[in-house]
Amino acid sequence: KAGVTQTPRYLIKTRGQQVTLSCSPISGHRSVSWYQQTPGQGLQFLFEYFSETQRNKGNFPGRFSGRQFSNSRSEMNVSTLELGDSALYLCASSLDVPLGTEAFFGQGTRLTVV
Amino acid sequence: GQNIDQPTEMTATEGAIVQINCTYQTSGFNGLFWYQQHAGEAPTFLSYNVLDGLEEKGRFSSFLSRSKGYSYLLLKELQMKDSASYLCAVSSHASGGSYIPTFGRGTSLIVHP
Repeated sequence: KAGVTQTPRYLIKTRGQQVTLSCSPISGHRSVSWYQQTPGQGLQFLFEYFSETQRNKGNFPGRFSGRQFSNSRSEMNVSTLELGDSALYLCASSLDVPLGTEAFFGQGTRLTVV
Repeated sequence: GQNIDQPTEMTATEGAIVQINCTYQTSGFNGLFWYQQHAGEAPTFLSYNVLDGLEEKGRFSSFLSRSKGYSYLLLKELQMKDSASYLCAVSSHASGGSYIPTFGRGTSLIVHP
């Protein structure tokens, strides 16, 4: 079956702009969680969506937001981009919780803010 | 808050055994995961421990002691392809009715001939 698909794979934005990233989960998976990965901080949890509702979120500013559609596809948005937002953004899908034995990560979107 | 510690880097020889340790401090512990991430690729699931003890899966084994807040990943018969970053992650109960994952910063394992 198809894996988790994230688009775009690479993105370059300017400070102050906003960006929207997309994640299409594995068919049948209803939980989509988002992560930011940087060399300095490692992999950090952003938020999790389940059945179009945000269930939990990590310690990130309100500039980071997301949503989930009825087909479980999810988007995350970052407004007023800062240089420090440059990172690999990963999403993971699973049946019902953020991490599980059947959870799979997408290849990620590499965001560069200049 | 949650805190997870693991060594930054380890090196080992092909064919040898290596143990990667992970210590954690967390509230509402639900389970502990190990993921493997090759450079430029997505993390892939290796193991999951929810109860104390050793879980073995082929060349990889993972151990958990909840009372000590300690886990390790054991890799046997190392191969060059095992060179990767190994991420320890703890899943904790959250108010939203689900779980919040917290990751360690990863251990970069270098396997040399």
